Amino acid sequence: AQKVTQAQTEISVVEKEDVTLDCVYETRDTTYYLFWYKQPPSGELVFLIRRNSFDEQNEISGRYSWNFQKSTSSFNFTITASQVVDSAVYFCALANYGQNFVFGPGTRLSVLP
Amino acid sequence: EAGVAQSPRYKIIEKRQSVAFWCNPISGHATLYWYQQILGQGPKLLIQFQNNGVVDDSQLPKDRFSAERLKGVDSTLKIQPAKLEDSAVYLCASSFSGREQFFGPGTRLTVL
Repeated sequence: AQKVTQAQTEISVVEKEDVTLDCVYETRDTTYYLFWYKQPPSGELVFLIRRNSFDEQNEISGRYSWNFQKSTSSFNFTITASQVVDSAVYFCALANYGQNFVFGPGTRLSVLP
Repeated sequence: EAGVAQSPRYKIIEKRQSVAFWCNPISGHATLYWYQQILGQGPKLLIQFQNNGVVDDSQLPKDRFSAERLKGVDSTLKIQPAKLEDSAVYLCASSFSGREQFFGPGTRLTVL
């Protein structure tokens, strides 16, 4: 069975601090996708990134970066120089090639001014 | 490009009543998903359609939940009869390639 663990339930940081959100996954599949979604207070889930299990290159997009390590089954998300607008619940998710989507429990990030 | 549309946005019903939710995916998206998100938890996939066929409904409580996507476009999720534990936000998402999912605003259901 597939499983996603986000051990950090809530994180609070002060604006401009860097913050890393952890994601550990379990799957028996050799081919799978990993995702991060943001759910702001408005409630609508926003897609951030998708990663193929064959591609372990880290990715950077502006202030966001992702570290995928197959050896530890982790797909961590770092926000550099956090801003108040980054306050949201962040979900890590796993799917085996477009099916059987499993979301983690989420990490609530509060960025304080 | 219009996003995923859902209606109603909010619904309050008594337990044992029936309720239906509607979803219109992004135009051209063959894959449609219904999720249940209980407060404080991550979304749980209820059912996944590819066009008008069911790909995955392993977590759909089939004794009370049903869903259809008759023409491969919009979809309806029904609960009959509702229980208190069905109180949640019901999210619809669509995808062109089965990879990135685009979510609608959700329907918040309260069962009293």
